[in-house]
Amino acid sequence: DSGVTQTPKHLITATGQRVTLRCSPRSGDLSVYWYQQSLDQGLQFLIQYYNGEERAKGNILERFSAQQFPDLHSELNLSSLELGDSALYFCASSMGPQGSYTFGSGTRLTVV
Amino acid sequence: AQSVAQPEDQVNVAEGNPLTVKCTYSVSGNPYLFWYVQYPNRGLQFLLKYITGDNLVKGSYGFEAEFNKSQTSFHLKKPSALVSDSALYFCAGLSTGTASKLTFGTGTRLQVTL
Repeated sequence: DSGVTQTPKHLITATGQRVTLRCSPRSGDLSVYWYQQSLDQGLQFLIQYYNGEERAKGNILERFSAQQFPDLHSELNLSSLELGDSALYFCASSMGPQGSYTFGSGTRLTVV
Repeated sequence: AQSVAQPEDQVNVAEGNPLTVKCTYSVSGNPYLFWYVQYPNRGLQFLLKYITGDNLVKGSYGFEAEFNKSQTSFHLKKPSALVSDSALYFCAGLSTGTASKLTFGTGTRLQVTL
């Protein structure tokens, strides 16, 4: 157990739907990062939060949004889902902007 | 701009032989470099990192990495491979500053055979 908890582990949903992925960072970590891992794109950085504030944005689609709550857990919202959104979504946390990342085990999203 | 490159999609090595997984980097400023490993259906696990100091960094599970500034490389090594080392390995570079993020290479699949 890495200390970073992601739920759910698996999610199957239909095109056009909306889902929410949840991440609880390791105790004491203030930064949360979201990554998408797909076969053809590798690991793509989506977005970073630090202590509730958005700090960096990567290749995140407008259909996707995220937030970090006062208790530091984070949610990634994916809407108007397309087949191509099927991927593993990882959350990672670190103590600060330059600390080592600890990854959760991921949420496997399948859009059918 | 920063990037890391892993030139090999797959590396095959026999158990007991030394292994090397290659990584080159292009980052502005001082490079912060990492290696992570991913086992099937698992998240990424931290192996080691280079921030500053000794060019030879020792990490988990007997792995080490050599930072070479002149060649802009950060190759992962292990003196004697195990079948259980078979996994997907990612090199990553960290941009500095408050908006820092890890940028990953494309990954190298290591296959260790008996």
